[in-house]
Amino acid sequence: DSGVTQTPKHLITATGQRVTLRCSPRSGDLSVYWYQQSLDQGLQFLIQYYNGEERAKGNILERFSAQQFPDLHSELNLSSLELGDSALYFCASSPPGGNTIYFGEGSWLTVV
Amino acid sequence: GNSVTQMEGPVTLSEEAFLTINCTYTATGYPSLFWYVQYPGEGLQLLLKATKADDKGSNKGFEATYRKETTSFHLEKGSVQVSDSAVYFCALISNFGNEKLTFGTGTRLTIIP
Repeated sequence: DSGVTQTPKHLITATGQRVTLRCSPRSGDLSVYWYQQSLDQGLQFLIQYYNGEERAKGNILERFSAQQFPDLHSELNLSSLELGDSALYFCASSPPGGNTIYFGEGSWLTVV
Repeated sequence: GNSVTQMEGPVTLSEEAFLTINCTYTATGYPSLFWYVQYPGEGLQLLLKATKADDKGSNKGFEATYRKETTSFHLEKGSVQVSDSAVYFCALISNFGNEKLTFGTGTRLTIIP
């Protein structure tokens, strides 16, 4: 157990819908990262937050948004869902001044 | 920018064989290097890491040495088991707190009894 908690573990939804994925980082970790893993694209970095502020942005679609709240948990919002958004979404966290990034077990999203 | 080049898979070995999965990198400064493992149907687990040149990371019989002169971080295990079947990802980061973790494409390893 990495200490990073993601909910829900599995989610099935229809095209055009909106979902929210939630992540609780390890206690004391200030950085949160979001990654998407699909069969054809491998691990794609989406976005990173540090203590509530956006620090790095990757290939995140405009239909997707994220935020990190004052209690340091983070949410990834996916809207106008398409079939191609079906993937495993990982959250990860790292401590301040730390040298390791820990991943949660992921949220499996299936868009039908 | 940073990049990681990882040995193409899939790799199939017999139980008790010696394993090497090659990983080379391009990065600014002095990155930290990682190997993550993803077992079937599961999430990403940190397998081992090294944060400076000549460091050797080790865990569960796996080892990798940070070689700055060859910009490499090859994963090795002396005797693999069926339970080692998984996808292995090499990764690096240069600047914690301001940068993403850059992954290789992953190497699928299958061990046959």
